[in-house]
Amino acid sequence: AQKVTQAQTEISVVEKEDVTLDCVYETRDTTYYLFWYKQPPSGELVFLIRRNSFDEQNEISGRYSWNFQKSTSSFNFTITASQVVDSAVYFCALSDADRGSTLGRLYFGRGTQLTVWP
Amino acid sequence: DTGVSQDPRHKITKRGQNVTFRCDPISEHNRLYWYRQTLGQGPEFLTYFQNEAQLEKSRLLSDRFSAERPKGSFSTLEIQRTEQGDSAMYLCASSLAGEGSTKGQYFGPGTRLTVL
Repeated sequence: AQKVTQAQTEISVVEKEDVTLDCVYETRDTTYYLFWYKQPPSGELVFLIRRNSFDEQNEISGRYSWNFQKSTSSFNFTITASQVVDSAVYFCALSDADRGSTLGRLYFGRGTQLTVWP
Repeated sequence: DTGVSQDPRHKITKRGQNVTFRCDPISEHNRLYWYRQTLGQGPEFLTYFQNEAQLEKSRLLSDRFSAERPKGSFSTLEIQRTEQGDSAMYLCASSLAGEGSTKGQYFGPGTRLTVL
């Protein structure tokens, strides 16, 4: 069965520090998709990134970077030079390939509450 | 390109009453998903549609819950005989199935249900 574990419940950092959010997943599927979502205090889930299981290339987008390692079943998220506006709950999620399409249901971790202090 | 919208944003009801929520997906998206999120937890899958067809239902979706997407556009989620344990945020998401879809599921703002 699919499972996503985010062992860090809460992380606090001071502005400009780098922070890494951990995500470990379990699946028996050979084709699957990994995601990160941000949920700010307003409550709406914001899509950040999707990574396909066959593409282990790491990705960087501005201050955000993601490290995907199939060998350890991990998909970690790093924020460089954190800012107060990064304060939110971050969710890692997993989806399998469904009916030949690209996305099935999402399995979410419990989330990591990130607080960035000024 | 408008995002996913949900109505109402908040609903307070008494135990035993029926409630209905509506979700309007991104217009070109053919898949629509319902999730439920309780405090301190990640969203949990309830059900999803491709066009009008309901393709999967979670065992979380008891007989008191029913979802429809009659014309393959908007969807409704009804909870009959609400219980206090139904209090949660109900989230709707949409996506585009098939080749070429490279993004994720896009979520609406949610409907927060409080059952007294």
